[in-house]
Amino acid sequence: EVQLLESGGGLVQSGGSVRLSCAASGFTFSNYAMSWVRQAPGKGLEWVSSITDSGDTTYYADSLKGRFTISRDNSKSTLFLQMNSLRAEDTAVYYCRTDIVLVPASLDFDYWGQGTLVTVSS
Amino acid sequence: QSVLTQPPSASGTPGQRVTISCSGSNSNIGSNFVFWYQQLPGTAPKLLIYRINQRPSGVPDRFSGSKSGTSASLAISGLRSEDEADYYCAGWDDRLSGVVFGGGTKLTVL
Repeated sequence: EVQLLESGGGLVQSGGSVRLSCAASGFTFSNYAMSWVRQAPGKGLEWVSSITDSGDTTYYADSLKGRFTISRDNSKSTLFLQMNSLRAEDTAVYYCRTDIVLVPASLDFDYWGQGTLVTVSS
Repeated sequence: QSVLTQPPSASGTPGQRVTISCSGSNSNIGSNFVFWYQQLPGTAPKLLIYRINQRPSGVPDRFSGSKSGTSASLAISGLRSEDEADYYCAGWDDRLSGVVFGGGTKLTVL
């Protein structure tokens, strides 16, 4: 069974940093591009960042470049999101997912974690 | 403001056919695949349609996707109460080099 389990969310002060993790199991993690998508309370989905299967190439939403860094450890089947200089508007549930939009060849291998809430207090 | 434009709301009665639109541009819908997601309250999004019009196994054939030029549509036929949810379109944008989502459409089954 494919599972994606996010962790690392919580309450953080404005200007602070958080590192999210996403532990993957049930599939060959190193074969799939991954991404982070966030959803502010009561709002829609917002793409944050994607990374290729090897980790060689990363992509970021323009509004987040320079503050967020995506990475992965294929030996540990884990995806990361380092979030710095956090602002109140970064408050959201952060989902990790297999990225079939970046790599349509992955067809319908679309899986999401349950999400982890990051709350940035001002 | 989202790169892909969806109507904020849609509605229908049980058994009806409802269509949700997703408008983009040449750099996204016009040149790439379109994906559709359903999100029930408090849950992660679920893939409904991939590669414009393909359904994952387990998704009823009441759901269908299409694309014409720089716009895409999700059609739901034989509307059921359990279809009441938020629906999002998504795709890759060549100009932005990133994934773009529509703002979402809240479907109400009257």
